[in-house]
Amino acid sequence: DPKIIQKPKYLVAVTGSEKILICEQYLGHNAMYWYRQSAKKPLEFMFSYSYQKLMDNQTASSRFQPQSSKKNHLDLQITALKPDDSATYFCASSQRTGIQDTQYFGPGTRLLVL
Amino acid sequence: GDSVTQTEGLVTLTEGLPVMLNCTYQSTYSPFLFWYVQHLNEAPKLLLKSFTDNKRPEHQGFHATLHKSSSSFHLQKSSAQLSDSALYYCALSDLQQGTGSKLSFGKGAKLTVSP
Repeated sequence: DPKIIQKPKYLVAVTGSEKILICEQYLGHNAMYWYRQSAKKPLEFMFSYSYQKLMDNQTASSRFQPQSSKKNHLDLQITALKPDDSATYFCASSQRTGIQDTQYFGPGTRLLVL
Repeated sequence: GDSVTQTEGLVTLTEGLPVMLNCTYQSTYSPFLFWYVQHLNEAPKLLLKSFTDNKRPEHQGFHATLHKSSSSFHLQKSSAQLSDSALYYCALSDLQQGTGSKLSFGKGAKLTVSP
């Protein structure tokens, strides 16, 4: 059974629209993260949450807003989509936010903005 | 800031030959180093992570040793297998000021093992 669920698997959007990427983890972890992977850049850290509180934000644009409605949920809302936002977005989780805690990645949502 | 420099681009090997993927890092603090492997259209998965007590982590025939003197965490395997074909990332995690950890990834190396 998948322990980290990301929905949808694939997403096509038009420029200027808004989308929400869903992430749920069933590992009992307290920390969750978002990373982005595109053709131009390797895996890139975006956000970290611990006990539903924002810990770190490395995303320059306010168009990206994480939302945590439950401890094991961390969704990502993206507004005013641009073609440059096209990427695979990975959700990850770890037991804690300690530097030696292993982060486990979900299967990703592949976003294409036209 | 933190950074990871690793063997990047395409690495092509013949089955049975040794694998060596380099990874060096820059960090303000004492970091932990990780190797993640990503097969086509799959999520990155942990392959190895460094220990605090200088032990050498091993998994699926791969090993890596953290050398603080040279800031390196090279990935090695004595004999490549076809199933090792994948994208390999070296990553670093260290203490951010009051914000917990984040992984900083290198650019990735695509390993292709041929018969």
